[in-house]
Amino acid sequence: GQNIDQPTEMTATEGAIVQINCTYQTSGFNGLFWYQQHAGEAPTFLSYNVLDGLEEKGRFSSFLSRSKGYSYLLLKELQMKDSASYLCAVKDSNYQLIWGAGTKLIIKP
Amino acid sequence: IAGITQAPTSQILAAGRRMTLRCTQDMRHNAMYWYRQDLGLGLRLIHYSNTAGTTGKGEVPDGYSVSRANTDDFPLTLASAVPSQTSVYFCASSDLDSGYNEQFFGPGTRLTVL
Repeated sequence: GQNIDQPTEMTATEGAIVQINCTYQTSGFNGLFWYQQHAGEAPTFLSYNVLDGLEEKGRFSSFLSRSKGYSYLLLKELQMKDSASYLCAVKDSNYQLIWGAGTKLIIKP
Repeated sequence: IAGITQAPTSQILAAGRRMTLRCTQDMRHNAMYWYRQDLGLGLRLIHYSNTAGTTGKGEVPDGYSVSRANTDDFPLTLASAVPSQTSVYFCASSDLDSGYNEQFFGPGTRLTVL
């Protein structure tokens, strides 16, 4: 079967750095997405990785290792507005997205 | 408008009733999707359409139907609602011919079936 695993919840302090991990087992791999979802709102696109390595976009970076079936999202200089759920999704062999349940990130002052 | 709109924003529905959730996009994306999101579970694909005139079944299609008569609209119909269909429903679209094919989401419809 297809499976995406993420921690259910994480807590971090304002100004700090947090790493959210995602491991996957899917039928085929055509890229990995990270989305941000604030409570009561729609998911919004953050990043995309299809090759191994690190993609940096401002305070957010995303890493991929295809051989390990592993990705992480790194958030630096955390702000209170970063409190949200972070969703990992893999594009499978049918080019459909398989979604993890999401990681709820709580930022404390 | 810009992006994707969904209607209604929320709805309370009696079991057994028929309901259509509306979704419209103005980005001329070829692909559109319907997901449901339940607490503790990831987004689950109900139906999708890769181009106007074609549709496909996702992970959880039972009890739902869709149509794609044109590029912009992708309505989702519950023929006879049941309480297990209580959920938040998101419509999304993507351009399969460019970029990352990232999906853009509508604001969602919160549906309660009693």
